[in-house]
Amino acid sequence: DAKTTQPNSMESNEEEPVHLPCNHSTISGTDYIHWYRQLPSQGPEYVIHGLTSNVNNRMASLAIAEDRKSSTLILHRATLRDAAVYYCIPRGGNQFYFGTGTSLTVIP
Amino acid sequence: GAVVSQHPSWVICKSGTSVKIECRSLDFQATTMFWYRQFPKQSLMLMATSNEGSKATYEQGVEKDKFLINHASLTLSTLTVTSAHPEDSSFYICSARPPGLAEGYEQYFGPGTRLTVT
Repeated sequence: DAKTTQPNSMESNEEEPVHLPCNHSTISGTDYIHWYRQLPSQGPEYVIHGLTSNVNNRMASLAIAEDRKSSTLILHRATLRDAAVYYCIPRGGNQFYFGTGTSLTVIP
Repeated sequence: GAVVSQHPSWVICKSGTSVKIECRSLDFQATTMFWYRQFPKQSLMLMATSNEGSKATYEQGVEKDKFLINHASLTLSTLTVTSAHPEDSSFYICSARPPGLAEGYEQYFGPGTRLTVT
């Protein structure tokens, strides 16, 4: 499974966009890139996933580099409820292997 | 969206006893469920893959005889921590995958069970 590198922590002001980067340089060609987030004392919550093309949903956008070695999760307007640990997970088989993630702090 | 529940949400047990944690998929059938463990300030660690009607597949370093997994139906998987010790105190999280999805499927996670062994 591909290893990931994410910043340990990031801060954002409320209602501003947030770009959360993830490096996955050893990703295989068929690995999907998943993003999940976890609030304290809760199970992870699905955010978005993609393979090659950029993806949008109601929660976020996912920008995938052309060489697929990195991706960026974009929260268009951060709210206090977006404060969480964000995990980037390249997935090839059934299993999800979580890295250390990025702890996002949203400043009011 | 699909819902996964866990029971109990928290449990305290004495050292040497066993404790069972249930994971249920409420609105879909799950042929495959997964169990994770998370220590404070750390990431989730995959413990095992639970397949309905067959033996679980454990990740390297996870003791099969200590963490018993049973997936007897398409909506229920159980994790039993046998002879629990204080070092087993952790946040246990399950997830489930609806069957029949194409590649790139997402998993649905339960809310977690906080186990404290005294």
